[in-house]
Amino acid sequence: DAKTTQPPSMDCAEGRAANLPCNHSTISGNEYVYWYRQIHSQGPQYIIHGLKNNETNEMASLIITEDRKSSTLILPHATLRDTAVYYCIVNSRGTASKLTFGTGTRLQVTL
Amino acid sequence: DTAVSQTPKYLVTQMGNDKSIKCEQNLGHDTMYWYKQDSKKFLKIMFSYNNKELIINETVPNRFSPKSPDKAHLNLHINSLELGDSAVYFCASSQARGGHYGYTFGSGTRLTVV
Repeated sequence: DAKTTQPPSMDCAEGRAANLPCNHSTISGNEYVYWYRQIHSQGPQYIIHGLKNNETNEMASLIITEDRKSSTLILPHATLRDTAVYYCIVNSRGTASKLTFGTGTRLQVTL
Repeated sequence: DTAVSQTPKYLVTQMGNDKSIKCEQNLGHDTMYWYKQDSKKFLKIMFSYNNKELIINETVPNRFSPKSPDKAHLNLHINSLELGDSAVYFCASSQARGGHYGYTFGSGTRLTVV
């Protein structure tokens, strides 16, 4: 699986948009970009995924560059409950696929 | 209704003991996984099963033996527990065919070996 690079930590003021970047310059054509988060010691939570088009759901938006070498997860109005470690993962589909977690970005949302 | 449930939530045991962790998913997913998160918070995949068949075995000591009686259950049995086995173990499931491939994780089992 391709590797990803994320900043180790970021801060965001409550109510503001949180933009979390991810580099995945060696991504293959059949690999998707997934975002997960882990709040404290809970199980990781799926947020969103995409292949090449931008995606939006009730939790976040995912912006993927045209060359697919990087992406940005956007939390439009961050709240204190969004404080978590955010993981950007590239993964191909299929029964033998596996999510490989890196070190992620620790997002701290502050008042 | 809990989508992926693990039991027990906490497990404290002595070195050398044998213990099991159970996992059940009610999502109808065809693939299940075990992940280990150590004290440094690094999440590593251990095993995956697709329709009761072992698909991934990530160089895990053979003291760890997963068992999948049906596609809704994946249990983890650990023999001769060691101090280094202390970690949080997460079960997860996904739909490998026809789904969005997002994983749903359980809330974890914190294993402490003393």
